[in-house]
Amino acid sequence: GENVEQHPSTLSVQEGDSAVIKCTYSDSASNYFPWYKQELGKGPQLIIDIRSNVGEKKDQRIAVTLNKTAKHFSLHITETQPEDSAVYFCAAKLSGAGSYQLTFGKGTKLSVIP
Amino acid sequence: DAGVTQSPTHLIKTRGQQVTLRCSPKSGHDTVSWYQQALGQGPQFIFQYYEEEERQRGNFPDRFSGHQFPNYSSELNVNALLLGDSALYLCASSKGQGAYEQYFGPGTRLTVT
Repeated sequence: GENVEQHPSTLSVQEGDSAVIKCTYSDSASNYFPWYKQELGKGPQLIIDIRSNVGEKKDQRIAVTLNKTAKHFSLHITETQPEDSAVYFCAAKLSGAGSYQLTFGKGTKLSVIP
Repeated sequence: DAGVTQSPTHLIKTRGQQVTLRCSPKSGHDTVSWYQQALGQGPQFIFQYYEEEERQRGNFPDRFSGHQFPNYSSELNVNALLLGDSALYLCASSKGQGAYEQYFGPGTRLTVT
């Protein structure tokens, strides 16, 4: 099955700096890559996603890039704010009939220092 | 527009007991997936329901079972609870066959003593 590796496990940045979180996946048949933000005591919140026919997607301060050849994708957060502090998860989903599950990385704890 | 709701919020059970968790999907969604999240880990897929049938199952034993009702809400049942079943149980809903854009509820924190 699919395997997703996520790095780093923890990340501290100064407010206003950029943060980058990277993930690699194992199965080239994966075609959907969402990112989730999970705050303490809450469920994961979908913040951005990308499909395999697109190389980059941007939504205000958040962007995701995908390199299908290398089988990796990254989350970029610019102008970080204290409220960006949370655990971020990447995930991947295989294409094709019968493939509906999301396979998650182990998460990155982002701390934005004021 | 109500998001995904889950009940109860917290639950404490004894080893060997049985538990039922409930989920109501986001308005307009017809697919429900269940995930288990251990402390400090990413969510692990348990199974997914679409059109009242289980259409994919992760690597979980038969002690984990579920149901989806005609109104798309869903239940997760766990029998013969083990200490290792202690986790946050998350429900995610999505729309349509592809199960893209899965939106999660707040979860149910299950503690087995």
